[in-house]
Amino acid sequence: AQTVTQSQPEMSVQEAETVTLSCTYDTSESDYYLFWYKQPPSRQMILVIRQEAYKQQNATENRFSVNFQKAAKSFSLKISDSQLGDAAMYFCAYRSALGGKLIFGQGTELSVKP
Amino acid sequence: GAVVSQHPSRVICKSGTSVKIECRSLDFQATTMFWYRQFPKKSLMLMATSNEGSKATYEQGVEKDKFLINHASLTLSTLTVTSAHPEDSSFYICSAGWREGHYEQYFGPGTRLTVT
Repeated sequence: AQTVTQSQPEMSVQEAETVTLSCTYDTSESDYYLFWYKQPPSRQMILVIRQEAYKQQNATENRFSVNFQKAAKSFSLKISDSQLGDAAMYFCAYRSALGGKLIFGQGTELSVKP
Repeated sequence: GAVVSQHPSRVICKSGTSVKIECRSLDFQATTMFWYRQFPKKSLMLMATSNEGSKATYEQGVEKDKFLINHASLTLSTLTVTSAHPEDSSFYICSAGWREGHYEQYFGPGTRLTVT
């Protein structure tokens, strides 16, 4: 069975600085997707970034980028130039390439200090 | 595009009554919908997966007779909490995806259920 682990329950970053959120996963599948979701206080889940396992290139979306290490089964999220609006719960998630359910990590609560 | 709505956003009901939560895909046909439960500061816990026109598949430990899920059309799934009790109070989130969209999941805004 696949598992996703986020070992940082809470993180803090100064506004305009960079922060990295960690995520590791376990799977025996070779083709899958990895995601980072943001859940602000409104609790609406927002997709931040998606990585396809067969792509070696790390995904990037504006200030958000990932460091995908397939052999190490690691998938960290880097937020550059942190903004107050980045404060939220961040969830790492795994999904088989065949579809089906998302498997979520425990979440990391990010606070941004002005 | 790919908007999912939930109704109601908040509901308060008395213990012993049933409450229905709707999840709609507004601009796509959702072949699969998922229902999650989330406690404060915790991760999303998948309750069940429903495919249009077939019975929902429940996760281990989720009472199918208590949490009735219906996915009667490609744009609507409902979760009915039957004989609700205070311990059923929680935040319920649905997501929807479709085959041609590579099963990307889009999330509804959630429903806060309080059972008094």
